Amino acid sequence: ETGVTQSPTHLIKTRGQQVTLRCSSQSGHNTVSWYQQALGQGPQFIFQYYREEENGRGNFPPRFSGLQFPNYSSELNVNALELDDSALYLCASSRGDSGNEQFFGPGTRLTVL
Amino acid sequence: DQQVKQNSPSLSVQEGRISILNCDYTNSMFDYFLWYKKYPAEGPTFLISISSIKDKNEDGRFTVFLNKSAKHLSLHIVPSQPGDSAVYFCAASKNAGNNRKLIWGLGTSLAVNP
Repeated sequence: ETGVTQSPTHLIKTRGQQVTLRCSSQSGHNTVSWYQQALGQGPQFIFQYYREEENGRGNFPPRFSGLQFPNYSSELNVNALELDDSALYLCASSRGDSGNEQFFGPGTRLTVL
Repeated sequence: DQQVKQNSPSLSVQEGRISILNCDYTNSMFDYFLWYKKYPAEGPTFLISISSIKDKNEDGRFTVFLNKSAKHLSLHIVPSQPGDSAVYFCAASKNAGNNRKLIWGLGTSLAVNP
C-alpha cells in the first residue's frame, strides 16, 4: 500500500506567477484535502475533493483552485501569487465514507519572492 | 478565532516519564478529535483519535482523554521516549456529510530528554 505523495518538494516563485502542486492519494482513498501551513501555525483547510467534486472550502480566495482526477490524485493551483502564499502545502487523503483519519503527504514548501 | 487551542507551545520531559499534552476547543459541534505528530520536513502523522461519545481511547503508550463538559482533551504518552520528540497537533472535526475538514491547533513542541 503506497502512502500519500506530493510533488514537487520545494518550489520558488515570484509574485504574480502561477503554481500547480500535485498529490497522489493513498491506495483505496477517494477523498483529498488540501491544507496550508504557515510558519508557526497549524494547518489551515483550503478545500476538499470527494469523487472529483469540490466538497467543502475554507476561507481562501478564488485564486486557489483545485482538481481531482478519476484516479483520485489531485492538483492545487494558485494564481497571482502573493508573498503571504509562502507556506507548506499539505495534501491529505482519506476514505470519504469514514474520512475521520486523514493521512498526509510530506508537503510542498512554496516560497514566493 | 481559534476554535482549537493548544496553549503550551512547548513541553520538556525526561525519558521514561509521562508527557501530557493539552488541547481546548470552543465549538460544541465538534464530534471527533485527533492527535497528529509532525517531524520537521515531514507531513503530520496520525497518532490516535477519539469520538465524542467516548471519554478515553488507548493505543499502546498513547492515551487520549476527552472531557466534553470542559471542552478539553489531553494526550498522555507513557513512558516518553526520545523518539517522541516532535510537534504534536490537536485537530477536531464535525460531521458535515462526507466533508470532514480538520480544524487544527497551533501545536505543542515536545522534547524528551535522555
